[in-house]
Amino acid sequence: GNSVTQMEGPVTLSEEAFLTINCTYTATGYPSLFWYVQYPGEGLQLLLKATKADDKGSNKGFEATYRKETTSFHLEKGSVQVSDSAVYFCALSLDYKLSFGAGTTVTVRA
Amino acid sequence: GAVVSQHPSRVICKSGTSVKIECRSLDFQATTMFWYRQFPKQSLMLMATSNEGSKATYEQGVEKDKFLINHASLTLSTLTVTSAHPEDSSFYICSARDPSRGPGSGNTIYFGEGSWLTVV
Repeated sequence: GNSVTQMEGPVTLSEEAFLTINCTYTATGYPSLFWYVQYPGEGLQLLLKATKADDKGSNKGFEATYRKETTSFHLEKGSVQVSDSAVYFCALSLDYKLSFGAGTTVTVRA
Repeated sequence: GAVVSQHPSRVICKSGTSVKIECRSLDFQATTMFWYRQFPKQSLMLMATSNEGSKATYEQGVEKDKFLINHASLTLSTLTVTSAHPEDSSFYICSARDPSRGPGSGNTIYFGEGSWLTVV
């Protein structure tokens, strides 16, 4: 079956620190990959996506590269801000259904 | 860009009553919508696939008589939680597929804002 494994949190960082959240996947076929973000008390927002191998998704300073050889889609940001505090979900999609990772809670301290 | 709207965003209902959550695609026709559920501090799990004009397809373990899904038009799917109980309290979120943007999930799936249900 399809599944997503992402690093467990919580992750606590200082402002301007480097953030990496690891994500690996298992899928039958060639999925699209996503990172979603959920801010406290809010719904789900698409952060970035990649639809094929070697694609790099980027948004708001976050980046992730679709690595088929390692079945990974790690999220990175070079300098986090307090406003980046949220829960981050890695997800894959085949046939338009999404399978989500467990989510990683990130807290950025000023 | 495409927008999917959910209503209500938050609802509190009494145990034993039913509550309906709507998911609308505002500027495209969604032949397929999906309903997810998120338990506190957990990930989102697909509950069912809602197909316009036909019965919904439920994931294993989801009670179809408990969670009624209707997709009567190309822009509206509803999820009704029947005889709600406190354990149904959760975050429910829908997504919709815009088929006009071609095949592939990357450019065609849009999420609603989600609905927080609290059953007291």
